[in-house]
Amino acid sequence: GNSVTQMEGPVTLSEEAFLTINCTYTATGYPSLFWYVQYPGEGLQLLLKATKADDKGSNKGFEATYRKETTSFHLEKGSVQVSDSAVYFCALVHTGGFKTIFGAGTRLFVKA
Amino acid sequence: DTAVSQTPKYLVTQMGNDKSIKCEQNLGHDTMYWYKQDSKKFLKIMFSYNNKELIINETVPNRFSPKSPDKAHLNLHINSLELGDSAVYFCASSQAGESDTQYFGPGTRLTVL
Repeated sequence: GNSVTQMEGPVTLSEEAFLTINCTYTATGYPSLFWYVQYPGEGLQLLLKATKADDKGSNKGFEATYRKETTSFHLEKGSVQVSDSAVYFCALVHTGGFKTIFGAGTRLFVKA
Repeated sequence: DTAVSQTPKYLVTQMGNDKSIKCEQNLGHDTMYWYKQDSKKFLKIMFSYNNKELIINETVPNRFSPKSPDKAHLNLHINSLELGDSAVYFCASSQAGESDTQYFGPGTRLTVL
């Protein structure tokens, strides 16, 4: 079945550090891949997405590349800020499908 | 202008009570969802409706009953509340076949005492 595995948290970084949150997936065919972010006390919101192999999604300094050969969609940011502290979810869905498969979430703490 | 709204935001109640959570979306989407998020932030899908028709019904106790009066609304009724029902419940919507992006409401924190 389809599944998403992401690195366990929490991840604690100092401001301006480089961030990587690993995400790998198992799926048949060619799913769309997503990163969602959940700030404290809020619902999830889309951070970025990629719909086909080698696509790079980017937003707010974050980026992730759809790697079919390694079935990965790792999230990166060159310089994190305190305001990036949140829980990050990797997810996949097949186009036209009704069910999004979410990873377990990775909590990020950024210290000033 | 809120895209996906839920009421109430907080719900504190006693075991054995019956409660409802309401959800409305003004995005014109045809698919709506209910998720349960536990204290470790794990997100579990419960139900999904497409054009008022139930299409996803995960392994959820039958004390939970969703109702979709129209495409813009999906309510969740819970009977005989138990301690283990304490969680944050999120409503979401999407337009299947287009971006497949899910739009989430702000959540309802349910505490069962």
